[in-house]
Formats: sequence, C-alpha cells, structure tokens
Amino acid sequence: AQTVTQSQPEMSVQEAETVTLSCTYDTSESDYYLFWYKQPPSRQMILVIRQEAYKQQNATENRFSVNFQKAAKSFSLKISDSQLGDAAMYFCAYKGYGGSQGNLIFGKGTKLSVKP
Amino acid sequence: GAGVSQSPRYKVAKRGQDVALRCDPISGHVSLFWYQQALGQGPEFLTYFQNEAQLDKSGLPSDRFFAERPEGSVSTLKIQRTQQEDSAVYLCASSLGQGNQETQYFGPGTRLLVL
Repeated sequence: AQTVTQSQPEMSVQEAETVTLSCTYDTSESDYYLFWYKQPPSRQMILVIRQEAYKQQNATENRFSVNFQKAAKSFSLKISDSQLGDAAMYFCAYKGYGGSQGNLIFGKGTKLSVKP
Repeated sequence: GAGVSQSPRYKVAKRGQDVALRCDPISGHVSLFWYQQALGQGPEFLTYFQNEAQLDKSGLPSDRFFAERPEGSVSTLKIQRTQQEDSAVYLCASSLGQGNQETQYFGPGTRLLVL
C-alpha cells in the first residue's frame, strides 16, 4: 500500500523568507500524481500545486515550487517570499494512476507559521 | 458556479444517535469523495462515487457508515449509532471527470462531535 510521510509536524518562517516543507512517499507504481494542499485554520482545503510523476520538470505556481526526486521518492514544497497568508496546515498527497481508484492518500501534515 | 458545500458545518450528537451529513458538489462534477479527518491528522479516504455509482467503499470504518448519491449530484454520509471515536471532520471533495488526472476540490467539512 502507498504511504505518505511528512516528517516536520511544525515549521516556522520569517515573512519574506523562503521555507521548504518535506514529503516522502512509498509506492511500487511508476505513474502517479503528487499534490500539496493548504488548509488554513477553519477553512477548506485548497490545491497549491500538483506534479505528474512522468514529468521530469518540477512544477511551479507563482511563489510555490516543488523539488520532485522520483528515484528518492521525495516531493518537497518550497515557498518563496513567505506571506502572512501562507500560515496554514500543508498536506502532501499521492494519487495512483491506474484503475478506478482516484482517492488521495495524505500525509499527516506540516503546520506552517509565518512570523511578521 | 459555487464551490463544494457541506451541511451542517458543525454537529454535536449524543453517543448512539444517528447523523446525516450532506455534500453538494460543484455542478456537473462526476466524481465525489468522502474523507474523514481526525484531529491533528491528514484526511483518510472513506468512499468514492462516480455519478450515482459507489465504486469504492473500502475506507468506511464499519457497517455503521453508509453513503449514497442517488441522483448523481448531492451525496449524504450517514453514521448510525454514533460512537465517540466517530468525532472528526468529514470532508467531501468532487472532481469534474472520472479520470485519475482530475483535481479534487474540497468542501469546508462538517465537524462532528460525539459526546
């Protein structure tokens, strides 16, 4: 079975600085999708960025980028120029490629604090 | 249109009561997912619908949990004879198609507290 591990329960960053959140996963599949979701306090989960495993190029969305290392099964999220609104729980998630199984498998999350 | 909506947002139930949680997916979205998020944890998959068909219910923790989507749009998650361990946030997500590449959009969740 696939698993997702986020080894940093909490992280803190100074406003305008850069922070990297770690994620590793375990799978025997060769094709899959990886996601980072953001969950602000008492608000709904929103997609930050996604990566298709067959793409070698790392995904980028404005201040958010990933470092996808397929061989190492690592998928870290880098947030540049951190803003107060970035404070939230961040979840790394995996989704398999084949069959009808479309559910996401989540890590336990990393709580990010942003200091002014 | 509007995003995924869920109701009620908060529910307090006495142990042994039955509860029903509603999810309104984004209009036209074919796929619908239910997840359970315990305090301090990531969401865990419960069940998956493609239109009105429940294709996967492998994550339902017991036969007290039942989900339906009779007309392929609104879905209801029902928990019978609630137990304290059922206390969690229940998240609903929908995606446009049935392909695995589809992004899932989440609702705000229903926070269930069983006393």
